[in-house]
Amino acid sequence: DQQVKQNSPSLSVQEGRISILNCDYTNSMFDYFLWYKKYPAEGPTFLISISSIKDKNEDGRFTVFLNKSAKHLSLHIVPSQPGDSAVYFCAATLTFGSGTYKYIFGTGTRLKVLA
Amino acid sequence: KAGVTQTPRYLIKTRGQQVTLSCSPISGHRSVSWYQQTPGQGLQFLFEYFSETQRNKGNFPGRFSGRQFSNSRSEMNVSTLELGDSALYLCASGEDSSSGNTIYFGEGSWLTVV
Repeated sequence: DQQVKQNSPSLSVQEGRISILNCDYTNSMFDYFLWYKKYPAEGPTFLISISSIKDKNEDGRFTVFLNKSAKHLSLHIVPSQPGDSAVYFCAATLTFGSGTYKYIFGTGTRLKVLA
Repeated sequence: KAGVTQTPRYLIKTRGQQVTLSCSPISGHRSVSWYQQTPGQGLQFLFEYFSETQRNKGNFPGRFSGRQFSNSRSEMNVSTLELGDSALYLCASGEDSSSGNTIYFGEGSWLTVV
């Protein structure tokens, strides 16, 4: 049961244009959503996050949008740069009463920004 | 602050052997979690430790085990290795917070089972 889905395995975008990466989830109890970027042979790097009580969070060129009614999350990168070429993972967390939490990751989307 | 450190970075083992991977979390982080990444499978959660106790466990067989020490350093062990265990094993550390729990990854340990 894949609770967090990234349906596009890959995406190509021209440099300077907008990149939109999408993520769908099924569990309405997720309380926190994050995006990680991963270069080959490196560990994932935290990019940006959003609480489930918000619908938008912006950090420089990166904006995450959350549509709770559609259970949909998206990451916008504007403008896209060649250095943004990487695999992007969407993640959602479940926080339990004891304060413990669990991360669930999507399968990733490979972004290629063309110069 | 130094990041999450994993050792070894690369290793090759033979089917049937066992392997131990090590992870040093970011200073001050008490939560350590482990993930397996294989092509097309994303990041599969193995287990999470906090204050030397396993708090969460994913759906992996008992051959996969872990532990955490009093200094928050963690190890994971895979016994009776199978070819399908070949993967990138990632460790992540985090602070324990009730308001958003961002975890930070190490560079991973690449395991090849032959």
